[in-house]
Amino acid sequence: EIVLTQSPGTLSLSPGERATLSCRASQSVSSSYLAWYQQKPGQAPRLLIYGASSRATGIPDRFSGSGSGTDFTLTISRLEPEDFAVYYCQQYGSTGVWTFGQGTKVEIK
Amino acid sequence: QVQLVESGGGLVKPGGSLRLSCAASGFTFSDYYMSWIRQAPGKGLEWVSYISSSGSTIYYADSVKGRFTISRDNAKNSLYLQMNSLRAEDTAVYYCARGYPVGDAFDIWGQGTMVTVSS
Repeated sequence: EIVLTQSPGTLSLSPGERATLSCRASQSVSSSYLAWYQQKPGQAPRLLIYGASSRATGIPDRFSGSGSGTDFTLTISRLEPEDFAVYYCQQYGSTGVWTFGQGTKVEIK
Repeated sequence: QVQLVESGGGLVKPGGSLRLSCAASGFTFSDYYMSWIRQAPGKGLEWVSYISSSGSTIYYADSVKGRFTISRDNAKNSLYLQMNSLRAEDTAVYYCARGYPVGDAFDIWGQGTMVTVSS
């Protein structure tokens, strides 16, 4: 089973700053099957990015995804107040198993 | 609008059973694969089970295999999770989620239903 490790665990930034979140896989992941989600307290996760770099419907263009193989990145170009949340990466393996990273919390500095 | 609404959560004793339901609306339910995903209190997300659009293909996480059963009724636009032999570690918010046809992500999530396993 592929393990996804996200770093850092917590990112302390100010509104307007750039956020760079990392997701590293224990073995190579098809870029087609790497996604990112945002979750705010008391809410369900929201799909941000699928296929490593494609924005989901309605997601602002300040969110971007990149990477391939074992290293993937979610970048928020300029943090808005509503962007402070927990972010998860997720991958699908061909063996019928989906796995999530442990999450990165983006908090207000 | 596109919506998923879970129900059926509650407090159950270890070894007990519970059946979760997820009602879908606003889209053609039978066109999409579905999954259950859970989140223990203060923890991250854990995928639990998958069912294809027709119900012919099913997968489970190792942690629930042999104890949980996923099913769907496309005529009723509903997804189910039968949970047996429940353990304390099954305590979590359970979300149903719609499979995104590109990239095997999950694009629509319900609000979740809380399952607490405790004596």
